[in-house]
Amino acid sequence: KAGVTQTPRYLIKTRGQQVTLSCSPISGHRSVSWYQQTPGQGLQFLFEYFSETQRNKGNFPGRFSGRQFSNSRSEMNVSTLELGDSALYLCASSFGTVSFGGDTQYFGPGTRLTVL
Amino acid sequence: GIQVEQSPPDLILQEGANSTLRCNFSDSVNNLQWFHQNPWGQLINLFYIPSGTKQNGRLSATTVATERYSLLYISSSQTTDSGVYFCAVEGAGGFKTIFGAGTRLFVKA
Repeated sequence: KAGVTQTPRYLIKTRGQQVTLSCSPISGHRSVSWYQQTPGQGLQFLFEYFSETQRNKGNFPGRFSGRQFSNSRSEMNVSTLELGDSALYLCASSFGTVSFGGDTQYFGPGTRLTVL
Repeated sequence: GIQVEQSPPDLILQEGANSTLRCNFSDSVNNLQWFHQNPWGQLINLFYIPSGTKQNGRLSATTVATERYSLLYISSSQTTDSGVYFCAVEGAGGFKTIFGAGTRLFVKA
């Protein structure tokens, strides 16, 4: 089976722009979760989608949004980029929902976003 | 919310040595996972272990849910074991995965 894929792998944007990141889960997986990793804050949960519905959301401003398509692929969008949004954005997929004692998560390689 | 603490924060080992990494959590959990992040940033799932003991080659993990901790054992360490080891939990109330700050391991040849 192919693993979780994320595109693009690297991205450079300037403040005020918006960005869309894509994640394709492992075939058959229905849950996609997004995480932000920074040196200062570590790994932080952004949101989880299961069967096209957002199940959970972390403590991030409304500039961070996402969606999931019927084929389970997911996108996350960050609008009005700030310098502090520079981070490694990781996507993880699992068969079942992560919530309520869910499943093993498999991570993609991440998208490294740099905001100038 | 639930707090996750990992220790030690940093660890340097000679190749062939054994080590124990610890993860303490402040509340009941639905699940607990151990991950290894390699130097290129890839997170690899090691164990899904909300309770009990599991082994996979040179690695094993034990979670004592009633005492709110988990241990990851690495035996006969190799240079390829270097990287950051994360513990991640989902609290019994559900809703999101919380990561610890990680243990950074360096194995010297």
